[in-house]
Amino acid sequence: IAGITQAPTSQILAAGRRMTLRCTQDMRHNAMYWYRQDLGLGLRLIHYSNTAGTTGKGEVPDGYSVSRANTDDFPLTLASAVPSQTSVYFCASSAQSDSPLHFGNGTRLTVT
Amino acid sequence: KQEVTQIPAALSVPEGENLVLNCSFTDSAIYNLQWFRQDPGKGLTSLLLIQSSQREQTSGRLNASLDKSSGRSTLYIAASQPGDSATYLCAVVGGTSYGKLTFGQGTILTVHP
Repeated sequence: IAGITQAPTSQILAAGRRMTLRCTQDMRHNAMYWYRQDLGLGLRLIHYSNTAGTTGKGEVPDGYSVSRANTDDFPLTLASAVPSQTSVYFCASSAQSDSPLHFGNGTRLTVT
Repeated sequence: KQEVTQIPAALSVPEGENLVLNCSFTDSAIYNLQWFRQDPGKGLTSLLLIQSSQREQTSGRLNASLDKSSGRSTLYIAASQPGDSATYLCAVVGGTSYGKLTFGQGTILTVHP
């Protein structure tokens, strides 16, 4: 079934540790995005990529990095996790700028 | 900075009722507006996308309207069913933001039998 796969589904991480959240799509979409969802704050854009080889900063990029080596994969890395990065992380993609976004099922991350 | 507000925050209705969810945005220079559904513990599912040049979109029992000049959109759900229970989110894309959505905080809908 075509769509977006995120891994892991959930993770408990000690503060200071490095963590990479994985995201893979099989729809050959050009654009990919990482959002975090927090109670009371809604969904906020962390980083995005309009096409393979390019990335950009969203609303809340600090503490996160991304890469887009190919069309299908868009990993999100927390270099040194902090408790404020406890959240649910969603990866999304879209074929082009006027297309609907498709979301993965999310990664629930707890930083202790 | 674009801000998106959804009213009401929560809504509980009996099965069969027609209902309206509201979304407002502060900057009318949008590229498109999207409505999503989110079930507990799941990702978002796109319901309807309205381009800035359009006034409405329909899909089954759902109808979304857009009044860009007043910064408003509504999602109309006809003949609601318990399976419609979910959180509904509205999101807008700014003029040149290439899919970078700004989300509202959602309306939690409960349809009881």
